Order: sequence, then structure tokens, then C-alpha cells
Amino acid sequence: QKEVEQNSGPLSVPEGAIASLNCTYSDRGSQSFFWYRQYSGKSPELIMFIYSNGDKEDGRFTAQLNKASQYVSLLIRDSQPSDSATYLCAVTNGNQFYFGTGTSLTVIP
Amino acid sequence: DTGVSQNPRHKITKRGQNVTFRCDPISEHNRLYWYRQTLGQGPEFLTYFQNEAQLEKSRLLSDRFSAERPKGSFSTLEIQRTEQGDSAMYLCASQQGSTDTQYFGPGTRLTVL
Repeated sequence: QKEVEQNSGPLSVPEGAIASLNCTYSDRGSQSFFWYRQYSGKSPELIMFIYSNGDKEDGRFTAQLNKASQYVSLLIRDSQPSDSATYLCAVTNGNQFYFGTGTSLTVIP
Repeated sequence: DTGVSQNPRHKITKRGQNVTFRCDPISEHNRLYWYRQTLGQGPEFLTYFQNEAQLEKSRLLSDRFSAERPKGSFSTLEIQRTEQGDSAMYLCASQQGSTDTQYFGPGTRLTVL
């Protein structure tokens, strides 16, 4: 079992819609949870981090964490073509960071 | 720009040659990580340092790979006797505290012919 699992997609949404990205993790000792965006040929850039159960909102992005279900999600509201990228979920227990394989998102104008 | 720099940005080498990459992290960050990423995969952990100490190294990592962070500032990753399977993007990430955000450099893309 991989430490972090994501649906690879591709996920396609029309411009202005809500994109929903999901991630599960296996280590119950995980303490911090991150979403990174990666454009083709570029390095990952941080979108959001979340430490506590519940929702955390930052502009058009909302991260949701449910530690009991070992589940993290990212909602992107009012999706824009510039949001088209691969989204990586990452978790850490304070030592290694574990990344999922990423979900490819395409926002269709 | 995250403040993490990597050099070179691209490296083309022939099989069997040695290559060395450099990473300069954010100055106040004491943790530095190396990852390898291939197409369609997430970053794969290679090793990490806290200050100058190398605390963990992936058990999947061949002994052809070695990393140093001699003064707790910049780090180098060396690959000896490169193989075509080493072709990948090598990413460096800088981190302040153990559960804090990692900030990535732009990466070094290695192509082994």
C-alpha cells in the first residue's frame, strides 16, 4: 500500500465550475498535510497546508482534512484555465514527506 | 521564486559519467531534502539533512548516489557511473521545521544518453 494515494485523473471541469481533488494516506501518525500545484516541466509550488481536522479556506481554494478517515481534499472554486496543472498531495510525520502521484486537472474554457 | 536555487538546471551526460548537482536552500532553513521525479510520478524521497547531518536515506537509493551538506548550508548530490534509468528531474526542497512547508527549487533535469 502506498503512503499517499490520489486518483491520477485526468479530471476535466468547465471554466467557473468547482474542481474536487481527493487524497488518502496510510500513516495515522501524519501530522501535516499539503497540496502542491505542478505545471508541466516545473517544480511543485505550495497551494495550501492544513494541520487540523476541518476546513481551511484561502481565496478560491479550500482544503479539507478528516484524520479519522485519513482523507484530505482540495476544492477549487470558480476554476480558471490557469488552474490546469497536476495537483500533488503530500503528508509528513515530521520526517519524510510522502507525495502522491498527482491528479491532472484540465479546466476547459 | 521560492528562494531555493539549483544548478545546473539541465545536464546531459553519457552513461558511465559522474554528475554533481548543487542546491542552495533558504538561508534560515535547517532541513534540506533531495527528491527524484519521473514523468507521471510524484517526487520520490532520496535523502534529507538537518543542518549538516544526513538523517535519512532512501533504502531504494543505489550506492552510486551520495549527498553532502558540509557546512549546513548548500548541498550537493553526486551520481557516479550514471545509467539511463537515472534520467529524471532532481528536486531540492528547503524546510524550516520538521512539519513545516517544503519549498522546492526549480530542479535539475538530468538526461543520460
